[in-house]
Amino acid sequence: AQSVTQLGSHVSVSEGALVLLRCNYSSSVPPYLFWYVQYPNQGLQLLLKYTSAATLVKGINGFEAEFKKSETSFHLTKPSAHMSDAAEYFCAVRMGGYQKVTFGTGTKLQVIP
Amino acid sequence: EAGVTQFPSHSVIEKGQTVTLRCDPISGHDNLYWYRRVMGKEIKFLLHFVKESKQDESGMPNNRFLAERTGGTYSTLKVQPAELEDSGVYFCASSQDSGAYNEQFFGPGTRLTVL
Repeated sequence: AQSVTQLGSHVSVSEGALVLLRCNYSSSVPPYLFWYVQYPNQGLQLLLKYTSAATLVKGINGFEAEFKKSETSFHLTKPSAHMSDAAEYFCAVRMGGYQKVTFGTGTKLQVIP
Repeated sequence: EAGVTQFPSHSVIEKGQTVTLRCDPISGHDNLYWYRRVMGKEIKFLLHFVKESKQDESGMPNNRFLAERTGGTYSTLKVQPAELEDSGVYFCASSQDSGAYNEQFFGPGTRLTVL
């Protein structure tokens, strides 16, 4: 079985501040991990994915995430928040051999000017 | 290249009525998925098509839901009869293959409200 826990349904940061969105996963086998973003009135867009090639994964728009097996975590970070980063972010996991993606409950990011 | 499209974007129906949602995947994508997000909860997998065949329908909530993909192109998801708890956003996604790192491209979703 696989599951994802996102800590904090709402996160607020000031423009220019560090963004940290937390995600912990549970998987019985080595997982494939993803972060998706949903901007208002748009579909889900892939930010980045963990493919086991490197533990630090860089994505679009300056986001990155680090896979920590010992902590079963895959937290999303961005050094400096921009107003355009305001959106809802979803952490997701998929087990190898299976196609369905299991999502977390989502974190809404608010960027304060 | 057009992305995944879904129709309608919003649907408001009364309990007991029937609603059909449509998804057009990216051209050439054999894999098509349906997901649902009930308000305030996580996005949940409903089912997966490979071409016209249902590969995994383990997430379908009950027999009021019927998904089809005739001809292996677009897909429809029918809810009949709709219940209040069916309200939510229905997402469709498609991918080119079933490889380990295949990216699923999502549509904008259909927001279904059952009154």
